[in-house]
Formats: sequence, structure tokens, C-alpha cells
Amino acid sequence: DAGVIQSPRHEVTEMGQEVTLRCKPISGHDYLFWYRQTMMRGLELLIYFNNNVPIDDSGMPEDRFSAKMPNASFSTLKIQPSEPRDSAVYFCASSLNRAVYFYEQYFGPGTRLTVT
Amino acid sequence: AQSVTQLGSHVSVSEGALVLLRCNYSSSVPPYLFWYVQYPNQGLQLLLKYTSAATLVKGINGFEAEFKKSETSFHLTKPSAHMSDAAEYFCAVSVKSSASKIIFGSGTRLSIRP
Repeated sequence: DAGVIQSPRHEVTEMGQEVTLRCKPISGHDYLFWYRQTMMRGLELLIYFNNNVPIDDSGMPEDRFSAKMPNASFSTLKIQPSEPRDSAVYFCASSLNRAVYFYEQYFGPGTRLTVT
Repeated sequence: AQSVTQLGSHVSVSEGALVLLRCNYSSSVPPYLFWYVQYPNQGLQLLLKYTSAATLVKGINGFEAEFKKSETSFHLTKPSAHMSDAAEYFCAVSVKSSASKIIFGSGTRLSIRP
């Protein structure tokens, strides 16, 4: 299996621009998670989906952030407009919700976002 | 609600020395516990997991962790550190009713001295 795929790996943009991060989960997984990692705040859960439906978006910092999962193999995290404080590494993870797998999550390599 | 606390944001050991990374959890129901490792510029990778089958859990790269209910702890150990063990380590907790949500600790950065 190719694992969780994220694109782009690096993104540099100017303040005010729209940024779209992409994620392809492991085939067959029914949960998808978006995390943000910074030195100051550590690893934060932003939102997660079950069977393409958003379950909990309480971690989304503000209305500038939005996430979609149009099908089981693709999800996007969009920031519009972007701000310098959004600079971070964004991770996507997926899991298979079966008791035998104990909710183990598989992480992608991350997207390093820099907003200037 | 569940939570984990990792004691020590940075641990430094000499190559060949014992590695001990501390994690305490809080959960009102039997937890599932995990250790993840993050190498520089990479995503998190599962190191090992406790799922109630055995209190001593062995993982990859020679790491192991022991679940101690009386101490609400799940400390990570390795008898002999290797330079390649330098990374960030995260303790995490989940429970059956959490709908697959995992709560991560703040992480411990492990440095290895030559």
C-alpha cells in the first residue's frame, strides 16, 4: 500500500492568498483526520471525517479554515485568506474503525506551509 | 475525558545508555495506549500499542512499554540507545467509545549523545 499521500509537500504563499492542501487516505480506511503541528502548540486535531462526513470540526481555528471530503479517496483543507500565523506542518491521517485495529492512525508525510 | 501527560519535553542520553520516556494517562474507562515516533521532516509512525492483551508491549526498533494501571503509566524504554533513535516521541490514548479519536501528548524530543 502507498500509505497516506499528501500534496504539496511544501507550500510557500503570501498573506491573503488561498491555500489548498490535499490528502489521499489509505484505501479502505473510513476515518480521515487533519492535524496541525507547530512548535508553540504541538500537534492539534483540526477536524475528522467518518465515511466522508465531518464528525468533529471543533479544532478548526476560525472560519478561514474549511475542509471537505467529496469521496472516500480524497480530502482537502483550505485556508482563505491565509495569514502568517497559519505557518505550520499540516498532517493528514487515516484509520480503519474496527475494534481489532484499536483505532491505530496512519499519518502522511505532511505539508509544510509557510505564509509570508 | 481522556488525556496523556508526557514528563519532560526533552531527554538526552548517551549512545548505549538506557532510554526512558515517561507517559501518564487519565481515562475513566480501559484505554488503548500508543507510542508514536516522528523522525525529522516526517509524519508520525506507530512504535507500539497497548490493547489490554498484555501489559508489556514490544514495538519496533527494540522499544517496549509497560502498562501499569496502578500508576496510570505507560513509560517507553529501550535498553541501549542508538544514534538513529533521535526523534520526537508522542504518547497517545484512545478508548472504544471515542469514535476513533486519539488524544496525543505534547511530545518528548530524544537526543542521543555520541
